[in-house]
Amino acid sequence: DGGITQSPKYLFRKEGQNVTLSCEQNLNHDAMYWYRQDPGQGLRLIYYSQIVNDFQKGDIAEGYSVSREKKESFPLTVTSAQKNPTAFYLCASQSGTGSGGASYNEQFFGPGTRLTVL
Amino acid sequence: AQKVTQAQTEISVVEKEDVTLDCVYETRDTTYYLFWYKQPPSGELVFLIRRNSFDEQNEISGRYSWNFQKSTSSFNFTITASQVVDSAVYFCALSEGWYTGNQFYFGTGTSLTVIP
Repeated sequence: DGGITQSPKYLFRKEGQNVTLSCEQNLNHDAMYWYRQDPGQGLRLIYYSQIVNDFQKGDIAEGYSVSREKKESFPLTVTSAQKNPTAFYLCASQSGTGSGGASYNEQFFGPGTRLTVL
Repeated sequence: AQKVTQAQTEISVVEKEDVTLDCVYETRDTTYYLFWYKQPPSGELVFLIRRNSFDEQNEISGRYSWNFQKSTSSFNFTITASQVVDSAVYFCALSEGWYTGNQFYFGTGTSLTVIP
């Protein structure tokens, strides 16, 4: 089955530690995204990537880093510079082909990773 | 300024009632796309529908219907005869332009509780 996998589902981190969240997709999608969701809030964009070896900052990139070495993988590192990292993190991907322009295509989401800083 | 506004933070209805979730958007682009997603308690967002800016036809899918009105910049979502399984957070989103990788702007979501 095609889809997006995120691991782990729950992650605990001590203050001052870096941690990497995994995101893998087998949908052959070009674009991938990382969002952060806090309780009672919408999704805020952290980083996104349109093609391999290229990525752009979103609205809240400070304290985060990403890489896109393979089309199917887009890991997110939460660094110690992120002041309040406890949140629910969602990864998404989007196809680059389709009628009506590529933005027509919906984003597919993974199951999310819940990060808690102890 | 918010590009997508979902003014209703929480809504509670009794099972079998109809409910409408409001979404108001703001854009200067002539080409844009609107989406609705459902987020059940498990957390994963599920795609429900998309609409492009050139198609104002309303759509019905089973108990779900969507009303797109460019004149009021609204894309409202109605659930008819609500069921407990409809309990979730619903997000409206906007994408502008033509290219993959353009940012999706999400509203803050409406939490719907259907009481049995």
